[in-house]
Amino acid sequence: EVQLVESGGGLVKPGGSLRLSCAASGFTFSSYSMNWVRQAPGKGLEWVSSISSSNTYIYYVDSVKGRFTISRDNAKNSLYLQMNSLRAEDTAVYYCARDVSAHFDYWGQGTLVTVSS
Amino acid sequence: QSALTQPRSVSGSPGQSVTISCTGTSSDVGGYNYVSWYQQHPGKAPKLMLYDVTKRPSGVPDRFSGSKSGNTASLTISGLQVEDEADYYCCSYAGSYTFVVFGGGTKLTVL
Repeated sequence: EVQLVESGGGLVKPGGSLRLSCAASGFTFSSYSMNWVRQAPGKGLEWVSSISSSNTYIYYVDSVKGRFTISRDNAKNSLYLQMNSLRAEDTAVYYCARDVSAHFDYWGQGTLVTVSS
Repeated sequence: QSALTQPRSVSGSPGQSVTISCTGTSSDVGGYNYVSWYQQHPGKAPKLMLYDVTKRPSGVPDRFSGSKSGNTASLTISGLQVEDEADYYCCSYAGSYTFVVFGGGTKLTVL
């Protein structure tokens, strides 16, 4: 059974940093591109970042470029999102999602990031 | 990276059919057959319902169908059931720079 479990969310002050993790199981992690998708409270889904199976291709939405860094450790079946210079507008539930040809077939349960003073 | 346009809400009675539209541009919906649809119940993670415009993942009822014409994709749910009440999001590949863009979401109410 495919499982994606996010962790690392919490309350952080504006300008602060946070590192999210996503532990994957039930599939060959190293064969799939992985993504972070976020959802602000009461709002819609927003794609944040993508990383290819072998780290060759990395993409970000414009609003996080230069502040967020996506990475993965295929030996540990884990996906990460390092978030720096956090802003109030980054407050959201962050989902880890497996990517197959630009659609997301499995999602984690999400981890809440709150940026507030 | 503008969001795709969806109606904010649609409604229908049990047994009826509803269609949710998703309008983009020739750079996303109109340019690729990589439109997907997600169902999200309150407090839950999104669930993939359709991909590549018309394909259903295993386990998704055939009451859910998709189509595309020009820059607009559509999700049709026939034989509405109470459990179909949820938010629905479309998503489209938008090229190697933008990658994907989501719609703003549509709240389906089953009356």
